[in-house]
Amino acid sequence: SQQGEEDPQALSIQEGENATMNCSYKTSINNLQWYRQNSGRGLVHLILIRSNEREKHSGRLRVTLDTSKKSSSLLITASRAADTASYFCATGGGSYIPTFGRGTSLIVHP
Amino acid sequence: EAGVAQSPRYKIIEKRQSVAFWCNPISGHATLYWYQQILGQGPKLLIQFQNNGVVDDSQLPKDRFSAERLKGVDSTLKIQPAKLEDSAVYLCASSFRPGLAGQETQYFGPGTRLLVL
Repeated sequence: SQQGEEDPQALSIQEGENATMNCSYKTSINNLQWYRQNSGRGLVHLILIRSNEREKHSGRLRVTLDTSKKSSSLLITASRAADTASYFCATGGGSYIPTFGRGTSLIVHP
Repeated sequence: EAGVAQSPRYKIIEKRQSVAFWCNPISGHATLYWYQQILGQGPKLLIQFQNNGVVDDSQLPKDRFSAERLKGVDSTLKIQPAKLEDSAVYLCASSFRPGLAGQETQYFGPGTRLLVL
């Protein structure tokens, strides 16, 4: 089974709207990372949040982490067509090997 | 700074044939990872190297998959013999700081798309 599971599986919005995707995991972590994958390409690291952090910002990205609920969310504000991609969360820490979820497929319509 | 290089980008083979993929990590990165990504799923770690030693290969199907990282730089991943279910994208990634994967940023290559007929 996969450690991180993203929700929703697919998200379709209009340019300028905000996009929120969630990640749930099962076991304790040291950190959680979000990656983006454009069609047919490798993954690009977006942001890493450590277990002792609750919120982190990077440009139009905002990530929150709730270790009590074992969940994280990624918010993309003022979305652009170029944000169309799949987004994955990956958990890491302790003796666990990093595991990626199935991803959220985001489509931003111009 | 050059990114992670992989070749070939695409490969089509018949089942029971052999195939090899090559990865050149970012210069100075001690840790190298191979992932398998099946269509519609997230990447699954196959093997992690620290310099030229194996840190984790618990999810590598060792009866048919093998990987090496000679001299702690380039790496090759081989499948012999290939099965239909091996059709996937094989991603190579590298990171600078030693340690367990997931505890530092990984930089991914473009991947090799394998189709087994």
